[in-house]
Amino acid sequence: DGGITQSPKYLFRKEGQNVTLSCEQNLNHDAMYWYRQDPGQGLRLIYYSQIVNDFQKGDIAEGYSVSREKKESFPLTVTSAQKNPTAFYLCASSTSEWGQRYYGYTFGSGTRLTVV
Amino acid sequence: SQQGEEDPQALSIQEGENATMNCSYKTSINNLQWYRQNSGRGLVHLILIRSNEREKHSGRLRVTLDTSKKSSSLLITASRAADTASYFCATDGKGAQKLVFGQGTRLTINP
Repeated sequence: DGGITQSPKYLFRKEGQNVTLSCEQNLNHDAMYWYRQDPGQGLRLIYYSQIVNDFQKGDIAEGYSVSREKKESFPLTVTSAQKNPTAFYLCASSTSEWGQRYYGYTFGSGTRLTVV
Repeated sequence: SQQGEEDPQALSIQEGENATMNCSYKTSINNLQWYRQNSGRGLVHLILIRSNEREKHSGRLRVTLDTSKKSSSLLITASRAADTASYFCATDGKGAQKLVFGQGTRLTINP
């Protein structure tokens, strides 16, 4: 079955550490996205990528970095520069064909990151 | 930046009743989408309505879109306990290929 997989489900980070969240999709989607969700809040866009080897900052990119070396993979690194990283992180993908073939995002099940 | 805003923030109804949630947004859009999120899980795409459509149905879901008022509504008919979740509207912008999500409506269906 096609889908999008995030790992790990839970992640604990010590102060000053960088951590990387994995996101893999086998939907053959060109576009991939990372969102952050804080308790009781909506989603805020961190980074997105519409094609391999290219990505753009979203609304809250500071303290985060990404890479897009393969179509299937879009890992997110939470750096030590991110002062308040405790949150629920969601990865999504979509076709980049806008028009009748576009049907919205497919989301992963999320990674809950906690600073300890 | 443009953002959908859902109303109400929380809604509690009895099983079998209809649930209506509203979404307002600020700028022109290509389409508006509704997603459901169960507690601690990822979002699931429910329905997409394009800017040239006024109403769309999918099973027990009915979505309307009024581009003149920049608003949309999601109606869930004959609610079930399994409909308990948070519901988010999401909008794109003309020429933009990224979605902006609202704060969500937390829906509780009481048995």
